[in-house]
Amino acid sequence: QKEVEQNSGPLSVPEGAIASLNCTYSDRGSQSFFWYRQYSGKSPELIMFIYSNGDKEDGRFTAQLNKASQYVSLLIRDSQPSDSATYLCAVTSGGSEKLVFGKGTKLTVNP
Amino acid sequence: DAGITQSPRHKVTETGTPVTLRCHQTENHRYMYWYRQDPGHGLRLIHYSYGVKDTDKGEVSDGYSVSRSKTEDFLLTLESATSSQTSVYFCAIKPGGRADTQYFGPGTRLTVL
Repeated sequence: QKEVEQNSGPLSVPEGAIASLNCTYSDRGSQSFFWYRQYSGKSPELIMFIYSNGDKEDGRFTAQLNKASQYVSLLIRDSQPSDSATYLCAVTSGGSEKLVFGKGTKLTVNP
Repeated sequence: DAGITQSPRHKVTETGTPVTLRCHQTENHRYMYWYRQDPGHGLRLIHYSYGVKDTDKGEVSDGYSVSRSKTEDFLLTLESATSSQTSVYFCAIKPGGRADTQYFGPGTRLTVL
């Protein structure tokens, strides 16, 4: 059973700080990696994807991928209370047809 | 929203009754997915479809069946609902091309009493 592991949290950071979310995966064949944000009672919303080793930046968000260590992370700079949500890590499985999700990390940004 | 609607949005039913959830998309994407989300388990794949009449099982398919007779509609059926199927059900689509990204519908909250 291919697995994706995330710290469940909750992770609490002050407004303006950097939030660091981590994810490890078991399938060395995974090729694509995703971060989704899910507000309470809402559906998951894609915020970042990354395919290659290294960093990918999009505004306040940076995704980092290390395939050798089977590790993906998401950094949120200048965290805002509106970033308070559960963040889901997902990786492809069985080619690109399916995604396996972690259980999510709940982030709280305190004003 | 990725042009995905789900119906109903909320449903309460009784154990043993059949239930059908509908996912509708407006952009003719080939891939469609049904997930359930439960506290402590995260999102788990139930079934998915890669074309009209082409479906396959996911991680938690027992007790569920699916059908896709038109590109735009993907139906999830609980033949005889049980309390363990109380959950939030999400439909997702995957546009074609290089991206493997999936986009989610608004969800259906199902309660089986």
